[in-house]
Amino acid sequence: DAKTTQPPSMDCAEGRAANLPCNHSTISGNEYVYWYRQIHSQGPQYIIHGLKNNETNEMASLIITEDRKSSTLILPHATLRDTAVYYCIVRASNSGYALNFGKGTSLLVTP
Amino acid sequence: EAQVTQNPRYLITVTGKKLTVTCSQNMNHEYMSWYRQDPGLGLRQIYYSMNVEVTDKGDVPEGYKVSRKEKRNFPLILESPSPNQTSLYFCASARGGGSNEKLFFGSGTQLSVL
Repeated sequence: DAKTTQPPSMDCAEGRAANLPCNHSTISGNEYVYWYRQIHSQGPQYIIHGLKNNETNEMASLIITEDRKSSTLILPHATLRDTAVYYCIVRASNSGYALNFGKGTSLLVTP
Repeated sequence: EAQVTQNPRYLITVTGKKLTVTCSQNMNHEYMSWYRQDPGLGLRQIYYSMNVEVTDKGDVPEGYKVSRKEKRNFPLILESPSPNQTSLYFCASARGGGSNEKLFFGSGTQLSVL
């Protein structure tokens, strides 16, 4: 699976959009971009995933650049409960179910 | 409610005393797995199961056993726990439609081995 690079930490004011970047410059054509988050000591939670098109669900939006070398997870109106570690994971559809979580980005949403 | 249930949430034990951490899912998922999470090392897969009676080692299987006698249950067994197995453990499950499926995680078991 391709390596990902995320900033170690970010801050965001409550009610504002949180934009979390991820670089995956070695991504190959069959690899998906997944985002999970982990609120302190709880089990990781799936957020969203995509291949090349932008995706949106009830939790977030995922913007993937045209060359697929980077992506951005957008939480449109961050709340205090969105404070968590966010993991960007790149994985091929045929590489098994195991996830390589890496270090992620610690997002702090402030009042 | 669809969920992965782990028990217990917290467990303190002593070296060498066999223990079992239970995991159950109510989503009829074929795939189940166990992770451990340690500071600075992130989440690492211990064992996984693609279906009933099918289990395989993950990245850090030493000192652990698992079984998959029923689809919904995937217990983690520590036959002779040691202090280096002190960790936060997570069970996860997914549908068997392909590795593109999202993982559902339990809320974790904090294990301390003295």
